Amino acid sequence: EVQLVESGGGLVKPGRSLRLSCTASGFTFGDYAITWFRQAPGKGLEWVGFIRSKTYGGTTEYAASVKGRFTMSRDDSRSIAFLQMNSLKTEDTAVYYCTREGPIRGIVVVNFDYWGQGTLVTVSS
Amino acid sequence: AIQMTQSPSSLSASVGDRVTITCRASQGIRNDLGWYQQKPGKAPKLLIHAASTLQSGVPSRFSGSGSGTDFTLSISSLQAEDFATYYCLQDYNYPRTFGQGTKVEIK
Repeated sequence: EVQLVESGGGLVKPGRSLRLSCTASGFTFGDYAITWFRQAPGKGLEWVGFIRSKTYGGTTEYAASVKGRFTMSRDDSRSIAFLQMNSLKTEDTAVYYCTREGPIRGIVVVNFDYWGQGTLVTVSS
Repeated sequence: AIQMTQSPSSLSASVGDRVTITCRASQGIRNDLGWYQQKPGKAPKLLIHAASTLQSGVPSRFSGSGSGTDFTLSISSLQAEDFATYYCLQDYNYPRTFGQGTKVEIK
């Protein structure tokens, strides 16, 4: 069974850092890109960014609102993706979700078919 | 960034009603669009991908259509468990962008 589990959320002061983890199971983690979305309380969904699979260079793309402050990485040997969040702002308060996407050579991939349950990050003094 | 304009923002309907939600992209996105259902406190759930393909395990009362800039999600006969918020998401390019959401409430 495919599972994605986020962890690492919590209460943090503005300007501080936090690292989220996305632990995967039930599929070949290294084949997939991992995408992060977030949802501020009572608001809609927002794309945060993603990290490609090593096959596609393992490179990253970020939303303008987090570029330069957030960094994504991955450890395929442990099937974990990380979201390092620095210089946090109150507007980063949200539930953070991880999910998976393609491409995978030779396979038709359904993007964002499985999501984690989310982890809440609260940035407040 | 591609803007996704979703309408209506909310609607009231009764069990058994047919419901239609639309999304319009600010530029052509082929059929690179998904529809998601979200219930309070839960993660989004994929209903439709590639604009019109029903995700495995999703009831057949859900359907999607459209290509290019205009897309529609339909629920043929609303059930009690369908009261939720629905979002469209384009995965044509980056940044990925969502519609603003449609909250489907009980009339």
